[in-house]
Amino acid sequence: AQSVTQLGSHVSVSEGALVLLRCNYSSSVPPYLFWYVQYPNQGLQLLLKYTSAATLVKGINGFEAEFKKSETSFHLTKPSAHMSDAAEYFCAVSDSGYSTLTFGKGTMLLVSP
Amino acid sequence: NAGVTQTPKFRILKIGQSMTLQCAQDMNHNYMYWYRQDPGMGLKLIYYSVGAGITDKGEVPNGYNVSRSTTEDFPLRLELAAPSQTSVYFCASSYDAGGGGELFFGEGSRLTVL
Repeated sequence: AQSVTQLGSHVSVSEGALVLLRCNYSSSVPPYLFWYVQYPNQGLQLLLKYTSAATLVKGINGFEAEFKKSETSFHLTKPSAHMSDAAEYFCAVSDSGYSTLTFGKGTMLLVSP
Repeated sequence: NAGVTQTPKFRILKIGQSMTLQCAQDMNHNYMYWYRQDPGMGLKLIYYSVGAGITDKGEVPNGYNVSRSTTEDFPLRLELAAPSQTSVYFCASSYDAGGGGELFFGEGSRLTVL
């Protein structure tokens, strides 16, 4: 069975600081991994995805994530936070191209001036 | 482009009432999903469909029913509403199944059961 653990329900950073949101997964087969972002009162939208190509995946708005099989991790980073990055971020995993996604509990990113 | 449209956006129900949350997509996606989102719990899959006439249970199907008579529409029916069904409900669609495709979400339907 697949599962996702996101460390930290809330992460606070200052504008311009590094953003690091942690995600660890459990999967019995090579996983498909995703990060979604949810802005207030909106649905989720895809930030980036890993599907067994390059281990470093670049997404929208300057975010990127690195797949580390040895650590079963897929942490999300951004070199310099912007106020507009304040949102909730969800990591998700799928065992295959044919199964449904399992989402983590989410991490709320707070950005202060 | 409309994408995924959910109605209503807000609804208050009394215990024991029934209602249907509507979901429509105009992207000709085969796959459609219903999730519920509760604070601090992430998204839980209620039901999903891989095409017209085919539906299957997700992680938390109890108290809900779905149908998929057309590619475009995927309504979620709540029978005998209970306070535990107070949540934000999201409909999503994708061209490919979970691992292969990006999910496109509606803006959500906030349901309160009193």
